[in-house]
Amino acid sequence: GAGVSQSPRYKVTKRGQDVTLRCDPISSHATLYWYQQALGQGPEFLTYFNYEAQPDKSGLPSDRFSAERPEGSISTLTIQRTEQRDSAMYRCASSQSAGNTGELFFGEGSRLTVL
Amino acid sequence: AQSVTQLDSHVSVSEGTPVLLRCNYSSSYSPSLFWYVQHPNKGLQLLLKYTSAATLVKGINGFEAEFKKSETSFHLTKPSAHMSDAAEYFCVVSPIAGKSTFGDGTTLTVKP
Repeated sequence: GAGVSQSPRYKVTKRGQDVTLRCDPISSHATLYWYQQALGQGPEFLTYFNYEAQPDKSGLPSDRFSAERPEGSISTLTIQRTEQRDSAMYRCASSQSAGNTGELFFGEGSRLTVL
Repeated sequence: AQSVTQLDSHVSVSEGTPVLLRCNYSSSYSPSLFWYVQHPNKGLQLLLKYTSAATLVKGINGFEAEFKKSETSFHLTKPSAHMSDAAEYFCVVSPIAGKSTFGDGTTLTVKP
């Protein structure tokens, strides 16, 4: 697509439920990133994909968090058994390559609220 | 390991006066450095980036930043603030492929 698209924009769920967030990156971009942004803080790295490979998932806070990009395009971030501390803005970004000089193109984010 | 410190969480200026948003970083590698801007209910947008070329980097909307290795700083400046500059600004260090570290952000308020 023309830009990075995330859905849903807003999600309210009850503690213990599973949630899946979706990211559709810019179509020509090889690399896709997930970030978590708590209120009043900067985005924190969760994981990234280079096409369908996931070289680094060191930022995932627990094994309740997982991400996929099975065909090297659209990605999903799933949080199982949500907890209140998972409430945050989840940001997806894509870039042309995984090199450290490239611009990240961000979607508008998915705001998750866990009650 | 790398880290970013944005020295001011809030900066307030009057329209037409200079803007200075401060950023210090640490990195084990020679990093690339970025500034992103976030307007309310929008995604983050790149303002400018430093990637080991010229140390004075010019970006969009009249912003520029100077990379000072000796001071490990990458401060963002603009000679004359405009009302539309009111937003949150993030300094980012990217030392290695695939991993960028963001500062906690500086909220810029521009008073008429």
